[in-house]
Amino acid sequence: DTAVSQTPKYLVTQMGNDKSIKCEQNLGHDTMYWYKQDSKKFLKIMFSYNNKELIINETVPNRFSPKSPDKAHLNLHINSLELGDSAVYFCASNQLGLAGLGTDTQYFGPGTRLTVL
Amino acid sequence: AQKVTQAQTEISVVEKEDVTLDCVYETRDTTYYLFWYKQPPSGELVFLIRRNSFDEQNEISGRYSWNFQKSTSSFNFTITASQVVDSAVYFCALSESITGNQFYFGTGTSLTVIP
Repeated sequence: DTAVSQTPKYLVTQMGNDKSIKCEQNLGHDTMYWYKQDSKKFLKIMFSYNNKELIINETVPNRFSPKSPDKAHLNLHINSLELGDSAVYFCASNQLGLAGLGTDTQYFGPGTRLTVL
Repeated sequence: AQKVTQAQTEISVVEKEDVTLDCVYETRDTTYYLFWYKQPPSGELVFLIRRNSFDEQNEISGRYSWNFQKSTSSFNFTITASQVVDSAVYFCALSESITGNQFYFGTGTSLTVIP
């Protein structure tokens, strides 16, 4: 009965490879996110999808491509992996609040630790 | 400009001491939410509390308490009688209604509780 799940938990790969991380939420939320956490623990938003539509797309290399097949899933595909992509990637979800009422709590998945060799 | 500032990068306390983690935020919005998350050594991000801008009442949950002061744009977090299990990185976050669903996280405070 995990709320937000990610697979895999650990991913070790060579530079230049292409890899995907999957995220699923069973909370009935309509908005999902990807964050990158670097070695200094800084959390940086990458993407956000609301009802399968991209609504936040921060300055992220276009080697990163999110895909949302439905509002319960948001996958992250990374092409041509580089050393600097090594980090922990977190998926999160929440329910968009009504206009003027701010946003609901984001719930996070367990994270995927990506190591690029 | 940083919307959420956690000036304390690392704090160490001895078990049973009280500790306060500072969080200062910046917003021009009148409707916003503030959050605290805990990231223990196991790595997951655990939601602790959400507070909206219209509710300045302090909150207490067991050994945890939060002090929200709009006058100083602060939302500080106090752990009373700290325990080793409190060792974690704690993040403060802000969301504003005008920016919709975007969260702004602070850089985190790493708390170590020494037995």
